[in-house]
Amino acid sequence: AQTVTQSQPEMSVQEAETVTLSCTYDTSESDYYLFWYKQPPSRQMILVIRQEAYKQQNATENRFSVNFQKAAKSFSLKISDSQLGDAAMYFCEEGGSEKLVFGKGTKLTVNP
Amino acid sequence: DADVTQTPRNRITKTGKRIMLECSQTKGHDRMYWYRQDPGLGLRLIYYSFDVKDINKGEISDGYSVSRQAQAKFSLSLESAIPNQTALYFCATSDLVRDLTRAGELFFGEGSRLTVL
Repeated sequence: AQTVTQSQPEMSVQEAETVTLSCTYDTSESDYYLFWYKQPPSRQMILVIRQEAYKQQNATENRFSVNFQKAAKSFSLKISDSQLGDAAMYFCEEGGSEKLVFGKGTKLTVNP
Repeated sequence: DADVTQTPRNRITKTGKRIMLECSQTKGHDRMYWYRQDPGLGLRLIYYSFDVKDINKGEISDGYSVSRQAQAKFSLSLESAIPNQTALYFCATSDLVRDLTRAGELFFGEGSRLTVL
């Protein structure tokens, strides 16, 4: 069965600084996709970034980028120039099979 | 209007009551999911459905049942609610087959917060 591990229950960062959230996964699928979702206090789940496992190039979306290490099954999220609006729960998801599996989440606090 | 709509948004009920959470979508997706979110536990899959005739149990299906009334509608029922079913429930959709560029991406409703006293 797939598992997704987010080892940092909470993280904090100063405004304008950079923070990296960790995610490791374990899947037997050969073709899969990885996602980071953000959940602000409004509780709405918002897609931040996605990575196709067959692509070697790390995905980027504006201030958000990933460090994808396929052999290590690692998929970390880097947030650059952190903003107050980045404060939220962040969930990593592995979606290569029928059951899309999430990590337990990392709560990010952004300090002004 | 939201692409994935959940009702009710918030509900307080008593132990033993039957509760139905409803989900409807306008995205035209075949795949629908019900997740439960608890603090420190992330999102856990309750049930998922790939079409009207296909219903599958997820990680934590005990105490829950579902109905896929149409491609666009997927309801979650708690036949006899208990306090440890107090949680935030999410419905989500995805379309793996038709749009491979979005394979696996989930589109969420706004969540239904259920409190069982």
